[in-house]
Amino acid sequence: NAGVTQTPKFRILKIGQSMTLQCTQDMNHNYMYWYRQDPGMGLKLIYYSVGAGITDKGEVPNGYNVSRSTTEDFPLRLELAAPSQTSVYFCASSYSGSGGNYEQYFGPGTRLTVT
Amino acid sequence: QKEVEQDPGPLSVPEGAIVSLNCTYSNSAFQYFMWYRQYSRKGPELLMYTYSSGNKEDGRFTAQVDKSSKYISLFIRDSQPSDSATYLCAINSGGSNYKLTFGKGTLLTVNP
Repeated sequence: NAGVTQTPKFRILKIGQSMTLQCTQDMNHNYMYWYRQDPGMGLKLIYYSVGAGITDKGEVPNGYNVSRSTTEDFPLRLELAAPSQTSVYFCASSYSGSGGNYEQYFGPGTRLTVT
Repeated sequence: QKEVEQDPGPLSVPEGAIVSLNCTYSNSAFQYFMWYRQYSRKGPELLMYTYSSGNKEDGRFTAQVDKSSKYISLFIRDSQPSDSATYLCAINSGGSNYKLTFGKGTLLTVNP
């Protein structure tokens, strides 16, 4: 199993550009999450999904959009990038069925700079 | 009061020292407690998981939960340079809520 994979690893965007951060998991997890991590600020939840076709806002959703058309994929869309969106973005997944616990498995992250 | 408070450090110790990392929380509904380790430029990975008061040991690591004080700790014995990382506590209230509430993380450096 590859676990949770994210692409790209790094990206530089100009203000006003758009991009999609890709996230894929091969563990058949039903829950998926997007976080951003700023220096000294911990992990902030942007959006999460409890299954294909179901998404919900987290703590800091403004400026982002998500979709979940399959169990495996959970892309994060940035529209009209702003310098405040400069951060490291982590995708995570977890399993809520029988035998599951609350552990989340994280991808390696995407480092985004908006200038 | 924030839901989870964690001293961000940084914490610098010599190799072989005992390290104590701590978090406090405000919501008594929290009942699942985790410690994640995050190496520089990597994603967090689960280190310890517990759901009851008391101690849980795994090698050089001990997780301690005191629900009456709303206080959790991670102890690292015989610390090694390879333990240098950021340690994040994460807490969950259980039931149908699968979201984790994270502390801000403590940056630990173990000097050889």
